[in-house]
Amino acid sequence: GAGVSQSPSNKVTEKGKDVELRCDPISGHTALYWYRQSLGQGLEFLIYFQGNSAPDKSGLPSDRFSAERTGGSVSTLTIQRTQQEDSAVYLCASSRDWQETQYFGPGTRLLVL
Amino acid sequence: AQKITQTQPGMFVQEKEAVTLDCTYDTSDQSYGLFWYKQPSSGEMIFLIYQGSYDEQNATEGRYSLNFQKARKSANLVISASQLGDSAMYFCAMRDYIQGGSEKLVFGKGTKLTVNP
Repeated sequence: GAGVSQSPSNKVTEKGKDVELRCDPISGHTALYWYRQSLGQGLEFLIYFQGNSAPDKSGLPSDRFSAERTGGSVSTLTIQRTQQEDSAVYLCASSRDWQETQYFGPGTRLLVL
Repeated sequence: AQKITQTQPGMFVQEKEAVTLDCTYDTSDQSYGLFWYKQPSSGEMIFLIYQGSYDEQNATEGRYSLNFQKARKSANLVISASQLGDSAMYFCAMRDYIQGGSEKLVFGKGTKLTVNP
């Protein structure tokens, strides 16, 4: 079956612009996760959704980051007023339920110039 | 909080030989789960194998097996009969729970495996 998909696969933007990253989880998966992978920081957890609800948003690096999930399916991670330090690979994962194995998408490579 | 340590930044192995990638962890939980993921140069994180803390047997999945030593808090990945396609970054990870009902994976820094022909 189809895995987790993410779009765009690559995004180049100018400092100060807003970007939206999209994640389509595996069909039927109720849990969805966002992570960020950068050279200096390794893999960082950003946010977790159970259904449409995110119980804790403290993993988001700053108030320029926000995320939502609608219909228990697609999720969007929005970064406002991008900064060069936001350059990273943003990975989305989904699992059938919480405490289940997480399956990752191919990631979105974001470059902020 | 959970912590994962991978002490081998890079490993080399000859094709068809076995290789062990090290992972140690730190947790105060009695029940926990350990994962290994593979990340080829394409960037996608591929799930390989899972070990639960109460599983009596070491996990195996094809050429992958997990050498789980609970008392030593180690969960080493063993890849048998290495193939050129096994060249990738390998991450050990552990599930962590956050107050309020969130959960996440905590990852080690990874080991870059190179399989030589």
